[in-house]
Amino acid sequence: DAKTTQPPSMDCAEGRAANLPCNHSTISGNEYVYWYRQIHSQGPQYIIHGLKNNETNEMASLIITEDRKSSTLILPHATLRDTAVYYCIVRVSQGAQKLVFGQGTRLTINP
Amino acid sequence: DTGVSQDPRHKITKRGQNVTFRCDPISEHNRLYWYRQTLGQGPEFLTYFQNEAQLEKSRLLSDRFSAERPKGSFSTLEIQRTEQGDSAMYLCASSSEVRVHYTFGSGTRLTVV
Repeated sequence: DAKTTQPPSMDCAEGRAANLPCNHSTISGNEYVYWYRQIHSQGPQYIIHGLKNNETNEMASLIITEDRKSSTLILPHATLRDTAVYYCIVRVSQGAQKLVFGQGTRLTINP
Repeated sequence: DTGVSQDPRHKITKRGQNVTFRCDPISEHNRLYWYRQTLGQGPEFLTYFQNEAQLEKSRLLSDRFSAERPKGSFSTLEIQRTEQGDSAMYLCASSSEVRVHYTFGSGTRLTVV
């Protein structure tokens, strides 16, 4: 699996957009970018994933650069409940390949 | 979709005792994973089942650890002769060919005293 690099922590004001960066410069052509988050004392929660096109769902948007070496997770209107550790993971989608978690980014939403 | 259930939520045990955790995956998911998470770290992969077959085990899974999924439904993770270093959150997740992203349970927090 390609390795990812994320900032250890970030702050964002409530109601503003939270933009979480992730570098994955060694990503392969068949590897997807996945984002999970983990709220304190809970298991990780799937947010979104993408291959090369930008993706949007009810939780977030995922912007992947054209060279696919980096991506940004966008939470458009952050709330206090979005305070969590966010993990960016690169993996091949097919098959049962395990998720390899890094340290993630601890996002704090401030009132 | 009732989610992934883990039992118990918390377990305190004395060093040297055996403990067993249970995971009930989403019913239509044939893949089941166990992870361990210590404070301040991301989850670490322990083992993976496809149906009842255990297909991969991490080096983290020492001889004191054993996992089973006897009928391809629920799974158990047993730790024998617990050590203080086993204190962690043990997470279970499931997935399928159709839904390849994982659904995690809330975990079992083990404290070895």
